[in-house]
Amino acid sequence: GAVVSQHPSRVICKSGTSVKIECRSLDFQATTMFWYRQFPKKSLMLMATSNEGSKATYEQGVEKDKFLINHASLTLSTLTVTSAHPEDSSFYICSPSRVIEAFFGQGTRLTVV
Amino acid sequence: AQTVTQSQPEMSVQEAETVTLSCTYDTSESDYYLFWYKQPPSRQMILVIRQEAYKQQNATENRFSVNFQKAAKSFSLKISDSQLGDAAMYFCAYRSAYMDTDKLIFGTGTRLQVFP
Repeated sequence: GAVVSQHPSRVICKSGTSVKIECRSLDFQATTMFWYRQFPKKSLMLMATSNEGSKATYEQGVEKDKFLINHASLTLSTLTVTSAHPEDSSFYICSPSRVIEAFFGQGTRLTVV
Repeated sequence: AQTVTQSQPEMSVQEAETVTLSCTYDTSESDYYLFWYKQPPSRQMILVIRQEAYKQQNATENRFSVNFQKAAKSFSLKISDSQLGDAAMYFCAYRSAYMDTDKLIFGTGTRLQVFP
């Protein structure tokens, strides 16, 4: 399988601050990046889809101004949670994808205090 | 819109025994992919097995095999000779084949416990 690096794995931040999560595909070029959010014991919820060099497409109910996605290259995408609040605490997973296959980062556990 | 349903929130199996996890899906498309992913306590998503809809033969990966019934829109996962390390959350997922990199549509998951 492909190698995906997602950092940080855990982060605790104060309410009102911003947090950036980085996702790199180390050995392949990802044409598309998916960002998911997962609540405890629940399935993955798609937040947004982005293609390199294009603006991200957000799923209904996901605030694009709160969850900023940058997909500057075929190997790097970032998700920035702006002005984080306790309700943004969750597990975030990136998924760089190519034809047929999707791969997953290790996930980031965000805790907003 | 496509949907994926996993009707078993939890399953358990004795070590070395066989267990089958159920998955059904709904789609009007004829070409698509189906996946089973495993999410252990580490929460790293791991691909278990993949099935192309145009293939009639059921996919097999070592102890893991699927029963793909296209007409019934059913895609169950059979785990043979269960091991303690198989304990995890298992997600069934659907992906359209009409776009190069379309999104995955996940089921709600089945938590598998393996008892020694």
